[in-house]
Amino acid sequence: AQTVTQSQPEMSVQEAETVTLSCTYDTSESDYYLFWYKQPPSRQMILVIRQEAYKQQNATENRFSVNFQKAAKSFSLKISDSQLGDAAMYFCAYRSAASGSRLTFGEGTQLTVNP
Amino acid sequence: DAGVIQSPRHEVTEMGQEVTLRCKPISGHDYLFWYRQTMMRGLELLIYFNNNVPIDDSGMPEDRFSAKMPNASFSTLKIQPSEPRDSAVYFCASSLTYTVSPLHFGNGTRLTVT
Repeated sequence: AQTVTQSQPEMSVQEAETVTLSCTYDTSESDYYLFWYKQPPSRQMILVIRQEAYKQQNATENRFSVNFQKAAKSFSLKISDSQLGDAAMYFCAYRSAASGSRLTFGEGTQLTVNP
Repeated sequence: DAGVIQSPRHEVTEMGQEVTLRCKPISGHDYLFWYRQTMMRGLELLIYFNNNVPIDDSGMPEDRFSAKMPNASFSTLKIQPSEPRDSAVYFCASSLTYTVSPLHFGNGTRLTVT
């Protein structure tokens, strides 16, 4: 079974600075998809960014980008120019392309943005 | 699109009572998921459906939990009888067939069992 690990329960960053959240996963599959979701205090789960494993190019969405290292099974999220509204719990998630559509989440990282 | 709609947003009930959580997925999505979120266990997949058929219910904690999807636009998660340890936030999510498609989540139901 696939597992997703986020080793940083909490992170903090100064407003306008850059922060990187770590995620590693374990899988024997070669075709899969990776996601980062954000959960603010409103508890809504919001998709931040996604990455297809077959793509070598790292995904980017405005201030959010990933560093996808397939061989190392690492999928970190970089937030540039951090804003107060970025404060939230961030979840890394894995979805197999081959064996169905289960989405497996990591434990989450609580990000605090300091003014 | 209105997104995934869950009701109620909050539910407080007494131990032993039946609880029914409801979900309306995004129109056209053929996968529907029920997740439970707690501080101790994080986000756990309880069950998911494809084209209204349950595919994997291995995450359902015990027989007190049941889920149905009578049609493409409605699903329920029922707990009977409820226990204090069932207190959690329950999320419903839906997605398209293609696994690159992300899950779209509802706002969740916060369940408190006293």
